[in-house]
Amino acid sequence: SSELTQDPAVSVALGQTVRITCQGDSLRSYYASWYQQKPGQAPVLVIYGKNNRPSGIPDRFSGSSSGNTASLTITGAQAEDEADYYCNSRDSSGNLLFGTGTKVTVL
Amino acid sequence: EVQLVQSGAEVKKPGESLKISCKGSGYSFTSYWIGWVRQMPGKGLEWMGIIYPGDSDTRYSPSFQGQVTISADKSISTAYLQWSSLKASDTAMYYCARHRTTGKYYFDYWGQGTLVTVSS
Repeated sequence: SSELTQDPAVSVALGQTVRITCQGDSLRSYYASWYQQKPGQAPVLVIYGKNNRPSGIPDRFSGSSSGNTASLTITGAQAEDEADYYCNSRDSSGNLLFGTGTKVTVL
Repeated sequence: EVQLVQSGAEVKKPGESLKISCKGSGYSFTSYWIGWVRQMPGKGLEWMGIIYPGDSDTRYSPSFQGQVTISADKSISTAYLQWSSLKASDTAMYYCARHRTTGKYYFDYWGQGTLVTVSS
């Protein structure tokens, strides 16, 4: 099906590691990209392709993929990483898809 | 520096028409796809459609086909999203974003968003 499913919310202790997952059939064929969105701001690209970070994105953000699941990992989460995170990919028809979004809380 | 600058917030009544804009600068506007994304209040991101300004090739999400029109004027490096008859349910923040398709698919630069409020 052309859907990308994410857990609604996760929490992580300051300095610890959190993994955010995105599941969908299209991920067997196409990489996911990941976006961070803070309240009142536009989304920001944090990971694209196999595991590429745009300039300016800290190296504590990393991406991986296996089967129908893509993951975004934040290693050593900081207070400023508290945000909503969305995955994005495409399906075989060329339609673009966004995941349902995950709210990350840093405790 | 790549920038996408969107037009300002709009307040409209149901049934009115609207066209919002997204002006690109700092790159070759005709060489990259521009997508539009909706975010309803308190909700997630939804892909609406995408246009290649070089030849105006346009694709729509099945959810938005027939509901909106996407266009571009490459002479002024501007993409547009328009409605012919707004509904209250069109109230949302709308983002434009540059889309990359070089084997990987992602939105690398985003506009600041245009808030559209439809209310009687």
